[in-house]
Amino acid sequence: DAKTTQPPSMDCAEGRAANLPCNHSTISGNEYVYWYRQIHSQGPQYIIHGLKNNETNEMASLIITEDRKSSTLILPHATLRDTAVYYCIVRVNYGGSQGNLIFGKGTKLSVKP
Amino acid sequence: EAEVAQSPRYKITEKSQAVAFWCDPISGHATLYWYRQILGQGPELLVQFQDESVVDDSQLPKDRFSAERLKGVDSTLKIQPAELGDSAMYLCASSNPRRLQGVNTEAFFGQGTRLTVV
Repeated sequence: DAKTTQPPSMDCAEGRAANLPCNHSTISGNEYVYWYRQIHSQGPQYIIHGLKNNETNEMASLIITEDRKSSTLILPHATLRDTAVYYCIVRVNYGGSQGNLIFGKGTKLSVKP
Repeated sequence: EAEVAQSPRYKITEKSQAVAFWCDPISGHATLYWYRQILGQGPELLVQFQDESVVDDSQLPKDRFSAERLKGVDSTLKIQPAELGDSAMYLCASSNPRRLQGVNTEAFFGQGTRLTVV
């Protein structure tokens, strides 16, 4: 079973920031938080991941709470092409190898003009 | 940019027939995953390889599904016989560049094979 909880759907106006929340209250010390998105009929696309610190890349920012029990993915200026299902995943890192990605149902983000 | 290649992109087969899917991961990636995604749900892991060895196949229906990665590079997933309930998207992903052992890296997904069993 997925170890994360996300709202099933969210709307966002084009050009505004989209803030997607995720709860992972049972996360353990060696688990990372990953975000992927899936546009209809395509394979999931990696967005960002983090362990403790906030992370930013060209696609998004990831804010992880100090207790690591929740996180927020921020798309700073949402466009229509950001409409997709967003998955928040916790993934164990064994060091030499990595655990699999356990997907939940994700959040369907609809960006509207 | 390197990609995970999958073929075929679409496959229609009759129930009780055999069907096979192929995946070529990103060069140098040690870990390969096969996922199945039923419409409206998130992907579910079928099997995970580390090089040529199976790490996790606990969710693979072994009476009809088989997977191999003989040389630790490309991989084949087979279903025999196919059933109506096998209709789904089959996704392959790879991660864990061998040159970066121990570093937490993202997994990259292919575009998937859409299987329809009739």
